[in-house]
Amino acid sequence: AQSVAQPEDQVNVAEGNPLTVKCTYSVSGNPYLFWYVQYPNRGLQFLLKYITGDNLVKGSYGFEAEFNKSQTSFHLKKPSALVSDSALYFCAVGGFKTIFGAGTRLFVKA
Amino acid sequence: AAGVIQSPRHLIKEKRETATLKCYPIPRHDTVYWYQQGPGQDPQFLISFYEKMQSDKGSIPDRFSAQQFSDYHSELNMSSLELGDSALYFCASMTRNDGEETQYFGPGTRLLVL
Repeated sequence: AQSVAQPEDQVNVAEGNPLTVKCTYSVSGNPYLFWYVQYPNRGLQFLLKYITGDNLVKGSYGFEAEFNKSQTSFHLKKPSALVSDSALYFCAVGGFKTIFGAGTRLFVKA
Repeated sequence: AAGVIQSPRHLIKEKRETATLKCYPIPRHDTVYWYQQGPGQDPQFLISFYEKMQSDKGSIPDRFSAQQFSDYHSELNMSSLELGDSALYFCASMTRNDGEETQYFGPGTRLLVL
């Protein structure tokens, strides 16, 4: 069965510093991996995905994620955080049937 | 670009009432998913449809039913509502024809059961 884990409930980072939001997964076969962001009282917005190809995936708003098969991880990163990046971030596995992680709340302080 | 449309955006019902939520996918998308997100929870998959047929079923209660119509819009019917049904209900759409494997989400319908 597919599963995804986000080990951190919350990540705090100062504006301008790099940020990492962690995600690990468990799938049989090749994984389809996604990151979504959710702003307060808003729907989920697609950030980026890994299907195949380069392990470093670039997405919206300056975010990127690195697929690491040996560590079964797909951490979300951004070189320089903005206050406006503060939101709830969900890692997800699958495509036709998507399983979401529990979410990580990112707080970026000015 | 056109996005997924959900209606209504907000809905207040009383216990034991019924509710119908509607989802209009992105044009040319053939697949619709329904998710339930409780307060502070991650989205839970309920049910999905591909080409108007149910394609997968998740944690959807027996009191709920759904269908996809000929124009690809979908409706989630909820009966005998319970307080615990209060949640944000998301619809997402996707097409299986371009290899994108990406679901695009609507803004959600916030249901409050009193």
